Amino acid sequence: EPEVTQTPSHQVTQMGQEVILRCVPISNHLYFYWYRQILGQKVEFLVSFYNNEISEKSEIFDDQFSVERPDGSNFTLKIRSTKLEDSAMYFCASRTGTYGYTFGSGTRLTVV
Amino acid sequence: EDKVVQSPLSLVVHEGDTVTLNCSYEVTNFRSLLWYKQEKKAPTFLFMLTSSGIEKKSGRLSSILDKKELFSILNITATQTGDSAIYLCAVLPSGGGADGLTFGKGTHLIIQP
Repeated sequence: EPEVTQTPSHQVTQMGQEVILRCVPISNHLYFYWYRQILGQKVEFLVSFYNNEISEKSEIFDDQFSVERPDGSNFTLKIRSTKLEDSAMYFCASRTGTYGYTFGSGTRLTVV
Repeated sequence: EDKVVQSPLSLVVHEGDTVTLNCSYEVTNFRSLLWYKQEKKAPTFLFMLTSSGIEKKSGRLSSILDKKELFSILNITATQTGDSAIYLCAVLPSGGGADGLTFGKGTHLIIQP
């Protein structure tokens, strides 16, 4: 069964550093997403991406965040200057236009 | 602001019991409601409900949507220890294909042997 692949599975970074989280969505999917889940809290939508541009973003997705699809297969989330409160599990997801999302296994980001 | 409320937040039952998990929602433009099972990491897709009153079934799991009363239930019959997980309800709004899901906090289900 096709999977959404995320790397790394766990990343530890120092406050103020830049991080890039990587995702390979399912190949025939058209819509790509990033979500985050702070420990013990609900899954929150960050951003959606379609046709090589951002379609929608939440208020969490401020200027510190950016997304890119650099080569037609990878989908990345960059956090420019990490803060302690960015520590969370980050999930990538993708879908076709008509069916439910497929989520990746997540990247646990720990900012120290 | 779109809102999804799940109840109960946690539930402990014995193997073999039947459980019903609840999800109510308030969204500006509703398209679909989705149920996910989250064990260790990634939420895994269970059901997508768009039409009212039509039950979706997969083995021991079933779900139904009531668009008039704005809620959905997820039933699990003859529960097994492998059903222990967090069950997430999420709503997909209408307005194009790229909208984000709004999740509830989840129901943490524990099945005791």
